[in-house]
Amino acid sequence: EAGVAQSPRYKIIEKRQSVAFWCNPISGHATLYWYQQILGQGPKLLIQFQNNGVVDDSQLPKDRFSAERLKGVDSTLKIQPAKLEDSAVYLCASSPVTGRQNEKLFFGSGTQLSVL
Amino acid sequence: KQEVTQIPAALSVPEGENLVLNCSFTDSAIYNLQWFRQDPGKGLTSLLLIQSSQREQTSGRLNASLDKSSGRSTLYIAASQPGDSATYLCAVRPGTSGNTGKLIFGQGTTLQVKP
Repeated sequence: EAGVAQSPRYKIIEKRQSVAFWCNPISGHATLYWYQQILGQGPKLLIQFQNNGVVDDSQLPKDRFSAERLKGVDSTLKIQPAKLEDSAVYLCASSPVTGRQNEKLFFGSGTQLSVL
Repeated sequence: KQEVTQIPAALSVPEGENLVLNCSFTDSAIYNLQWFRQDPGKGLTSLLLIQSSQREQTSGRLNASLDKSSGRSTLYIAASQPGDSATYLCAVRPGTSGNTGKLIFGQGTTLQVKP
């Protein structure tokens, strides 16, 4: 079974530039998550989709971050314009359904973003 | 507000030693607690999930315990091997998370097992 695919693996940009990350979840998984992991910290949830609808985006900095999952499959996370503090690993995860309290999440390898 | 803390931040042990990683959380209202492993440049792999009604879970050389009332969990690794070197993260699913899959993570413990 193929895992969660993310691209690119690494991205280096200058502050105020734009960047986009792509995620393809495990086939058939209805729920998709984007987490941000700053160096030395645990991951923090940015946004959760159930199919193509947003379930939770309470911690997404909406003035610069946006995400979409138009067809309920793959997803794109965008930052525009980037700030130095956005340097982090962006992890995508998926799960079969939500609402089941003890469901496991499956994580991709992440995209490491460096903002200079 | 739920907060998760892991101590120590880093740990170095000789091969073969048994070790314990600690995790504490501030709000006992949780659905479950999970332990993850993260290798450099890789994503997170779920190791063990303990439901709020359970006290422990075991998988091979790993044993995780949960004391919800005191807000503590431990991950016990028996007979450590160099291949166990990684960062170990614990995460709780808050009882207020409703139908979201939101996890609150600790900052992790980086383990090095020396041959």
